[in-house]
Amino acid sequence: KNQVEQSPQSLIILEGKNCTLQCNYTVSPFSNLRWYKQDTGRGPVSLTIMTFSENTKSNGRYTATLDADTKQSSLHITASQLSDSASYICVVAGRYSGGGADGLTFGKGTHLIIQP
Amino acid sequence: DGGITQSPKYLFRKEGQNVTLSCEQNLNHDAMYWYRQDPGQGLRLIYYSQIVNDFQKGDIAEGYSVSREKKESFPLTVTSAQKNPTAFYLCASRAGTGWVPYTFGSGTRLTVV
Repeated sequence: KNQVEQSPQSLIILEGKNCTLQCNYTVSPFSNLRWYKQDTGRGPVSLTIMTFSENTKSNGRYTATLDADTKQSSLHITASQLSDSASYICVVAGRYSGGGADGLTFGKGTHLIIQP
Repeated sequence: DGGITQSPKYLFRKEGQNVTLSCEQNLNHDAMYWYRQDPGQGLRLIYYSQIVNDFQKGDIAEGYSVSREKKESFPLTVTSAQKNPTAFYLCASRAGTGWVPYTFGSGTRLTVV
């Protein structure tokens, strides 16, 4: 069964500090891995999309890494800001096999709180 | 501004009623999707549509229905057959498949009273 496990479930850090969120997956065959940011009561917003050939991708203060061999990804946030408080969702896409839905498997998210 | 609009933001339904959630996009995207989000759970796919007048069931389609009469619109009806409809509903769209990112709406929170 395809699964995406995220850790920690929740995290509280002080403003200005760095943090790293983890994502382990068992989706096979693998196509790509996405990180989304979801503010409370809002829809998710895409941060990065990585294929199996990419090890690192950055989007401003967000840097995602991918190790397709160990099936692990991380999202590193540098110099956190109060606006980074949100849930961060890891999403893994299986290789397209027809049907149009991509076989996306969503993690439950890491709830991040930035304290002043 | 291009985007995807969901309405209403909050919806209350009595048991036994059908309700319809609106999703409109002006991004000229072909594909549209409906997801359900429950506390502590990952998003789950309800229905999706790749082209007008065609749609497919997702993982949890029972108790839901959709239509795709226009490219811009993909309404979701939550029927009385859905046993546990209280949830946050997200509509998404994208221009193609594969590595193309999804654009999500702001969601509708449905509560059964």
